[in-house]
Amino acid sequence: DTGVSQDPRHKITKRGQNVTFRCDPISEHNRLYWYRQTLGQGPEFLTYFQNEAQLEKSRLLSDRFSAERPKGSFSTLEIQRTEQGDSAMYLCASSLLGQGAHNEQFFGPGTRLTVL
Amino acid sequence: AQSVTQLGSHVSVSEGALVLLRCNYSSSVPPYLFWYVQYPNQGLQLLLKYTTGATLVKGINGFEAEFKKSETSFHLTKPSAHMSDAAEYFCAVSVKGGSQGNLIFGKGTKLSVKP
Repeated sequence: DTGVSQDPRHKITKRGQNVTFRCDPISEHNRLYWYRQTLGQGPEFLTYFQNEAQLEKSRLLSDRFSAERPKGSFSTLEIQRTEQGDSAMYLCASSLLGQGAHNEQFFGPGTRLTVL
Repeated sequence: AQSVTQLGSHVSVSEGALVLLRCNYSSSVPPYLFWYVQYPNQGLQLLLKYTTGATLVKGINGFEAEFKKSETSFHLTKPSAHMSDAAEYFCAVSVKGGSQGNLIFGKGTKLSVKP
């Protein structure tokens, strides 16, 4: 399967703990996005990378959130000192920008975070 | 700024009936528009997209959508619903238009299909 993969699929943690999620994009894709989806809502943009550069961050991305894409391939999203309000599905997407591509974003299955 | 409004958080149709899911957008630049489907506990799958050119766009699973600039709409239709169409559907617009940036999603419409 050459689609976008995310790990873990589910994470339960206690309030105050740190968590880290991983996303592996489609191999030739140069853009990688993180979104957050809460119950009954559409996905909300958090941040995106072009290659290894983080180009934009949403105001939703508080200081407790950090994302990296060190070699322009996989990405990690870390949440420090988790709060109950962080409970959500975290979605990763990748796309190929340029060469006539229309920034069609391919989504992974998501990581569902539950903060107790 | 771009935004998306999906009218109706829940739509219910009978199997074989027409499916119509409504989406209106707001964009200060020529929009790229997308419809995604999400099955329970899964990520989003692209159904179809409008970029430029033909305003009637055909997608997977028999779905199609028509871009109407004058009405700022991009409604999703399917002539005959199937039980497997039951899912949540999201309309999205590309921020900054064109091929740049992230997507802005609507709140979604949950489609139920009755036998």
